[in-house]
Amino acid sequence: GAGVSQSPSNKVTEKGKDVELRCDPISGHTALYWYRQSLGQGLEFLIYFQGNSAPDKSGLPSDRFSAERTGGSVSTLTIQRTQQEDSAVYLCASSQQTGKTEAFFGQGTRLTVV
Amino acid sequence: AQTVTQSQPEMSVQEAETVTLSCTYDTSESDYYLFWYKQPPSRQMILVIRQEAYKQQNATENRFSVNFQKAAKSFSLKISDSQLGDAAMYFCAYRSAIGTASKLTFGTGTRLQVTL
Repeated sequence: GAGVSQSPSNKVTEKGKDVELRCDPISGHTALYWYRQSLGQGLEFLIYFQGNSAPDKSGLPSDRFSAERTGGSVSTLTIQRTQQEDSAVYLCASSQQTGKTEAFFGQGTRLTVV
Repeated sequence: AQTVTQSQPEMSVQEAETVTLSCTYDTSESDYYLFWYKQPPSRQMILVIRQEAYKQQNATENRFSVNFQKAAKSFSLKISDSQLGDAAMYFCAYRSAIGTASKLTFGTGTRLQVTL
């Protein structure tokens, strides 16, 4: 596709369940980012993949959060045993390798934990 | 670690007027990139303008321009001739130029209202 695609757009889950959020980056983009945006707040960095390098996981808030990127393309963010405080919009972005290029964002997945 | 601060949670501007959104950052690096992103209610983050730290000239994109003060670590966004469509959240962001593309660090955002 032409842009970054995220699915699902919205997800409602019960507390304690596991959820998977998917991100399809722009073809050819080597860098992929996950951010979390709570209601009315800024973007909280979660994890960053760059090519074949080890991912920067420094933003993951707990060991319930994990992410993988298969074949250098699609990425999945998994949240285990969801809690109500996990409710937020999860944004994915991708960019080319060089730092000055912009990051293109998907429209996000709104996760609601009830 | 780098930090980005936006001290104005909300701003308001009348249509056709000019408004300036503030952003300061903290870094020990000398080479980096700065960005302003716009997030309308649709949630889609859109790049407004970018600045490369090694360039002294302030970036401009049509009605949008920046005032980049490297020594003061300040990167404000000026919107001229404001339009109703400019109403959105605006985020300032920092990215290191060291190595390959690194993570973007965002400020907490400024909500801009545009009134008639």
